[in-house]
Amino acid sequence: AQSVAQPEDQVNVAEGNPLTVKCTYSVSGNPYLFWYVQYPNRGLQFLLKYITGDNLVKGSYGFEAEFNKSQTSFHLKKPSALVSDSDLYFCAVRVPQGGGYNKLIFGAGTRLAVHP
Amino acid sequence: DTEVTQTPKHLVMGMTNKKSLKCEQHMGHRAMYWYKQKAKKPPELMFVYSYEKLSINESVPSRFSPECPNSSLLNLHLHALQPEDSALYLCASSQDRTTTYEQYFGPGTRLTVT
Repeated sequence: AQSVAQPEDQVNVAEGNPLTVKCTYSVSGNPYLFWYVQYPNRGLQFLLKYITGDNLVKGSYGFEAEFNKSQTSFHLKKPSALVSDSDLYFCAVRVPQGGGYNKLIFGAGTRLAVHP
Repeated sequence: DTEVTQTPKHLVMGMTNKKSLKCEQHMGHRAMYWYKQKAKKPPELMFVYSYEKLSINESVPSRFSPECPNSSLLNLHLHALQPEDSALYLCASSQDRTTTYEQYFGPGTRLTVT
C-alpha cells in the first residue's frame, strides 16, 4: 500500500535550536513529496516539494527538507527554530490513480512546539 | 495572487437543511479539490475537478454534491447531512491535475451539523 508516515505526534524544541520533523514514505515509482503547514483553524500552506534533482530542497520561511531514497525519508528541517514556527505540519505524497490522475495522501501530522 | 477564498467561514445547519459552500480562485488553475478534515486528523480528499469536469469522487455520500460552474468557482452543495459530517471543509487548486504542481488551499469552512 502506498502511504506516508509521520512517526511523531509532537516535536518540542527550544527557540534557536535546529528542528527536524520526520516523514517516511512508501510508494511505487518515483516519489513526489510535499510539506505543508496548517495554522490554527485554517487551511494548509505549501512549504516545499521534492520532484527530482537535488536531495536538499529549500522552501519558505527558512525550511528545508532532505530526500533520502535509501531510507525512504523526507524529513523537514530548519537550522534555527522560532516560536512562530509552532504549528501543525503535514507531509504528503503523490499517489497515482487510474486514467493518469493523481491524488495527495497526507501523513497524520506532527505538532511542532517551539519554546522560548 | 496565490489566494483561494472560501465562504462562509462558519456554517451551522440542521439535518434537514440545504446549504452550499463556495470556493473561488483567480490563479488560472485548472484543477480544483474538495477535502474534509476532522479535528486532529489529516485532510481527506473528497472530489477532484479537472478542466471543470469531475475526475475523482472518493466514494463520497450523495448528500454531498459538487459543482464547478466555471474554471474559477467550485461549489459543494449539502443536503440532509448527519452530525458526523461536522468538519473543516477545505478547497484547493493547482495548475492542473498533475501533482508535480503544489496545491493551494483556502482557509476552509467550519461546518457544524446539529
